[in-house]
Amino acid sequence: GAGVSQSPSNKVTEKGKDVELRCDPISGHTALYWYRQRLGQGLEFLIYFQGNSAPDKSGLPSDRFSAERTGESVSTLTIQRTQQEDSAVYLCASSSTGGDSPLHFGNGTRLTVT
Amino acid sequence: SQQGEEDPQALSIQEGENATMNCSYKTSINNLQWYRQNSGRGLVHLILIRSNEREKHSGRLRVTLDTSKKSSSLLITASRAADTASYFCAGRAGNNRKLIWGLGTSLAVNP
Repeated sequence: GAGVSQSPSNKVTEKGKDVELRCDPISGHTALYWYRQRLGQGLEFLIYFQGNSAPDKSGLPSDRFSAERTGESVSTLTIQRTQQEDSAVYLCASSSTGGDSPLHFGNGTRLTVT
Repeated sequence: SQQGEEDPQALSIQEGENATMNCSYKTSINNLQWYRQNSGRGLVHLILIRSNEREKHSGRLRVTLDTSKKSSSLLITASRAADTASYFCAGRAGNNRKLIWGLGTSLAVNP
């Protein structure tokens, strides 16, 4: 595809509900990252997928957060039992090989938990 | 967690002026990247400077890297209103695959 696509672009949910965020990376990119960005803040690393290697989940803030990626294609980030502090923009990025190859970002999903 | 530090946190200049943003790390970083983020959008890669480089240019952008001081700077010359955005540095520590991100500098270029 032309770029990294994320859906939905906006999501409003009630506290306690589960949400699923989707990321379609650039075709052929082996590396995929999820970040969280609170308003006016920097990027908080969540999880990193590289090819068929075990994902680096060290940034996931709690066991309510999980992510999957099938091969080198789409990834989903799931947040269970959402809390108000989960409100943020969730950004997905892919890169061709990981390492220092540039990251290509989607426009993010803005999650609001009421 | 480790983070880069950028200064200033916010910068407001007039169109035509130069803008300088700095990034520093507490640990040694391999190859440093700069990204730009327009409001409500994802980040866009601007430039990568390798550990063995001291300076790199790309159009109106000039990036320097001082590995001894663990710092980098991004200079935007002859700024335009369209340069208004947040600018982030990111680097990799050792063999760690994860990028360490700075907190960003918010640049406002006034017409």
